[in-house]
Amino acid sequence: ETGVTQTPRHLVMGMTNKKSLKCEQHLGHNAMYWYKQSAKKPLELMFVYSLEERVENNSVPSRFSPECPNSSHLFLHLHTLQPEDSALYLCASSQVVGTEAFFGQGTRLTVV
Amino acid sequence: QQQVKQSPQSLIVQKGGISIINCAYENTAFDYFPWYQQFPGKGPALLIAIRPDVSEKKEGRFTISFNKSAKQFSLHIMDSQPGDSATYFCAASGHGNTGKLIFGQGTTLQVKP
Repeated sequence: ETGVTQTPRHLVMGMTNKKSLKCEQHLGHNAMYWYKQSAKKPLELMFVYSLEERVENNSVPSRFSPECPNSSHLFLHLHTLQPEDSALYLCASSQVVGTEAFFGQGTRLTVV
Repeated sequence: QQQVKQSPQSLIVQKGGISIINCAYENTAFDYFPWYQQFPGKGPALLIAIRPDVSEKKEGRFTISFNKSAKQFSLHIMDSQPGDSATYFCAASGHGNTGKLIFGQGTTLQVKP
């Protein structure tokens, strides 16, 4: 295991639902990230947090709302998603922004 | 300028052969070039990384070759094994883009027994 744990592993939600993805890192890192991985596309960086402060928001639609209550936990709140939002959502952490990133196993999200 | 272009998209190699995956970048401020390996159902895991002060780095059967003037770097897997079958991503980051990792499109490698 990489020390980054994501829950749930799989999630199916309707377009009107509200759900949250959770990420926890046990590595003592100060930076955490959300990435979106779609088929045949590069990993897309969504959000970057450094010491619990959001330092990057990569033009992500407002239906995705991140939350970082402390340096070990990261959430991604989802509401009124679209079918094209179906993807693997990966959380990662690193000692500081830009150094070696450790990824969780991801949450496979399906929007129906 | 923030893109990292990776090729080929897929690769089939016989066991014992050499697998070669190439990446090219534009942003000269990039100064960290990692390769990640991803197995189905798993998140990407760091395989090997290089900084531009060296032209080559080797770890076991995995070697990164780096050409700063051409702005290209490649991953060589020597003596490829079926267990190496996975998707490989190159990435780049640097002070010019706040340190965030920019990933290539990925290469799916299949090593045939």
